[in-house]
Amino acid sequence: EPEVTQTPSHQVTQMGQEVILRCVPISNHLYFYWYRQILGQKVEFLVSFYNNEISEKSEIFDDQFSVERPDGSNFTLKIRSTKLEDSAMYFCASIWTNPYNEQFFGPGTRLTVL
Amino acid sequence: AQSVTQLDSHVSVSEGTPVLLRCNYSSSYSPSLFWYVQHPNKGLQLLLKYTSAATLVKGINGFEAEFKKSETSFHLTKPSAHMSDAAEYFCVVSANTGGFKTIFGAGTRLFVKA
Repeated sequence: EPEVTQTPSHQVTQMGQEVILRCVPISNHLYFYWYRQILGQKVEFLVSFYNNEISEKSEIFDDQFSVERPDGSNFTLKIRSTKLEDSAMYFCASIWTNPYNEQFFGPGTRLTVL
Repeated sequence: AQSVTQLDSHVSVSEGTPVLLRCNYSSSYSPSLFWYVQHPNKGLQLLLKYTSAATLVKGINGFEAEFKKSETSFHLTKPSAHMSDAAEYFCVVSANTGGFKTIFGAGTRLFVKA
């Protein structure tokens, strides 16, 4: 069964460093999302992406964040200068044709900023 | 604007007894509603979804939910709890707000006692 994959499963970085979190959505899906979940807290929407552009973003998704679909298969989230409060689990999700359908989530990347 | 309120942060039931996880939503648009489950150290798995078809929705593992527009509720139920149901449950609303934004509830942790 097709699934969303994310790499790495765990990333440790120093404050101020850039990180890139990678996701491979299900191959024929068209809508892509990033979420984060700080330990013990709710899942928070970051950004949605369709047709090679951002369709919606939250207040969390400031200039430090960017997304890209560089090669038609990968979907990346970049954090330019990480802060301690960026430590969280980051989930990627994708949807097939209709954004009202269910999202298929990846297993997540745990980001730890020291 | 959209919001989701899960009325209980924790629910504890005995194995074999019914489960009720409560969710109220608010949306200025015609929303799609979902319930996802997250087992410890795992990703998010879809339990069921409502997308403007039947108001009583059946999902996996014996769960179901009823969409009640007049009460703006989408409560999750299961007739008989199993130990394996112990997990975090998220009620999610998604709508076309110009882009596609998804809001998660804060989550309800379900404990199942033997």
